[in-house]
Amino acid sequence: QVQLVQSGPEVKKPGASVKVSCKASGYSFIDHYIHWVRQAPGQGLEWMGWIDPDTGRTHYAQTFQGRVTMTRDTSVSTLHMQLSSLRSGDTALYYCARGFCADGRCYAWFDPWGQGTPVTVSS
Amino acid sequence: ERVMTQSPATLSVSPGERATLSCRASHSISNKLAWYQQKPGQAPRLLIYGASTRATGIPARFSGGGSGTEYTLTISSLQSEDFAIYYCQQYDNWPYTFGQGTKLEIK
Repeated sequence: QVQLVQSGPEVKKPGASVKVSCKASGYSFIDHYIHWVRQAPGQGLEWMGWIDPDTGRTHYAQTFQGRVTMTRDTSVSTLHMQLSSLRSGDTALYYCARGFCADGRCYAWFDPWGQGTPVTVSS
Repeated sequence: ERVMTQSPATLSVSPGERATLSCRASHSISNKLAWYQQKPGQAPRLLIYGASTRATGIPARFSGGGSGTEYTLTISSLQSEDFAIYYCQQYDNWPYTFGQGTKLEIK
């Protein structure tokens, strides 16, 4: 079945960077965009951006421009999201989620989601 | 940015009854709306996309409707497993945005 499996919890100090991984399986890796969404403790959902696993093309939400980098490794069907200059407000659960592409068009409803990677930023 | 506003923040309903959740967009989003269910400790699960199309495996008691800026999610006969937080999300325009969520609790 279609599955996204993410890397484990991270604890970082303010100013550091974190890299979260997301391994895709059960479908053609290059066929659908992958999005990243985060959820601060007890809060709602915030979209961070997407990557096209086929071309590596990305689009980031303005909130994260200059701090986020999304990459992919097609040889192992894995996506990565790196967030730099971490601050306490970046403490959150980070999800990867698959969008949907068909007939040359792509849509940003998300299914499935990875299990989430907790990132804690604390001195 | 499209601001998504969900109401109510909390909805108390008895099992077997009907629940209707609302989502309003700050601008028309042309039915590019999805609904998700999130239970504690779990990732969100897609219920509805295109405002009214049920995702694979989603029971028929879940239905979506609306157009323009006003959308609804209706659960026709609440089961115990339906008590959760529900989010709407627009994918009409970058940045994609979510509502703040409606918590559906047992009355």
